[in-house]
Amino acid sequence: KNEVEQSPQNLTAQEGEFITINCSYSVGISALHWLQQHPGGGIVSLFMLSSGKKKHGRLIATINIQEKHSSLHITASHPRDSAVYICAVRRREGADGLTFGKGTHLIIQP
Amino acid sequence: DAGVTQSPTHLIKTRGQQVTLRCSPKSGHDTVSWYQQALGQGPQFIFQYYEEEERQRGNFPDRFSGHQFPNYSSELNVNALLLGDSALYLCASSLGPGFTYNEQFFGPGTRLTVL
Repeated sequence: KNEVEQSPQNLTAQEGEFITINCSYSVGISALHWLQQHPGGGIVSLFMLSSGKKKHGRLIATINIQEKHSSLHITASHPRDSAVYICAVRRREGADGLTFGKGTHLIIQP
Repeated sequence: DAGVTQSPTHLIKTRGQQVTLRCSPKSGHDTVSWYQQALGQGPQFIFQYYEEEERQRGNFPDRFSGHQFPNYSSELNVNALLLGDSALYLCASSLGPGFTYNEQFFGPGTRLTVL
């Protein structure tokens, strides 16, 4: 079982819908990153959080440390939001670097 | 303000060869991390360089080595290439080492194909 699990793996929605992508992890962490990857490979960092909630534009990220769970929400989704969304954690102990989920492939249809 | 740049964009090599990939960090950043992303998978952390030293390392064999120069740019070297090394190699820069307080800024990646 992967240490970082994302759900769903694939999500297709209509423009304007409220989107939720989930990330669960099984290790103690010091930080969690949400990343966006567009076709062709470029990755953009969306959020880095260790507690509570952060908001940037139409994107909201929340984390519940006790439940080892984070969610990424997109309000008023738009076709340009179509991308792979990746969750990554910084483990408190053990492996160096970031441990990544496999990503959620989001398609927003007009 | 230049972001993270990587070269080359694409590269084709044959098994057993050696390859060097290059990364220039975002202006003002002093730390470079390297990642390997196989097709359809999430990235995997290779290593991080800060102050010209490898500070953290993921679960990759010694065939993967790196270097950081005084201007903070970095190289990733892979020796004795295997077919399984075919992947997108991503570089990310940050201000300071670690991953708890330091946002990662990613480059566009280098697509390596090993035949």
